[in-house]
Amino acid sequence: GAVVSQHPSWVICKSGTSVKIECRSLDFQATTMFWYRQFPKQSLMLMATSNEGSKATYEQGVEKDKFLINHASLTLSTLTVTSAHPEDSSFYICSAVKWRTGFSNEQFFGPGTRLTVL
Amino acid sequence: AQKVTQAQTEISVVEKEDVTLDCVYETRDTTYYLFWYKQPPSGELVFLIRRNSFDEQNEISGRYSWNFQKSTSSFNFTITASQVVDSAVYFCALSGGETSGSRLTFGEGTQLTVNP
Repeated sequence: GAVVSQHPSWVICKSGTSVKIECRSLDFQATTMFWYRQFPKQSLMLMATSNEGSKATYEQGVEKDKFLINHASLTLSTLTVTSAHPEDSSFYICSAVKWRTGFSNEQFFGPGTRLTVL
Repeated sequence: AQKVTQAQTEISVVEKEDVTLDCVYETRDTTYYLFWYKQPPSGELVFLIRRNSFDEQNEISGRYSWNFQKSTSSFNFTITASQVVDSAVYFCALSGGETSGSRLTFGEGTQLTVNP
């Protein structure tokens, strides 16, 4: 299998502060990682596609200046929620794509980060 | 655009009952992948199965079975002899193909509660 970690697993912050969430592929290289957001009792919504060495691609309606994504290496992508507000409180999940010949689109998910903004 | 519909928002069964979770999808791609994930209360997604659009063979894995019918764009999931540990939210998802690449489109999820 393939392991993806997220750090921190949960975070509580004050309104107006910035929070950084890390997503790491531990035993494989991932040129592509995805960031999802999940509100309580709702589905996962794709926020952005993170590609190593290039700018992230954001989904419609997601503010790129608020949700900064950096994919600095083949094993690490970070999501920074800038000037967080209570409405940003959510469960953030990342996934990493592991490419194997004949098995494209194999995504491995991190355990998620629960963000609470007071 | 791709779309996944899970019409059942919540299902409640008694232990040992069989239960089927429905999934209907829409895509214009000729090549695509379908998935089922389980999300227990901890939140971590658990991968259950992946099926590509060219493989319509039904699959059985222990108490789990999947019925893929391309003609009706459905990919239903059946749990036989359900157990309390099966209680979770189950998501059907779609990805792949010419228009979306690796991006996953999730259905709204079905909350399954198995009562003892």
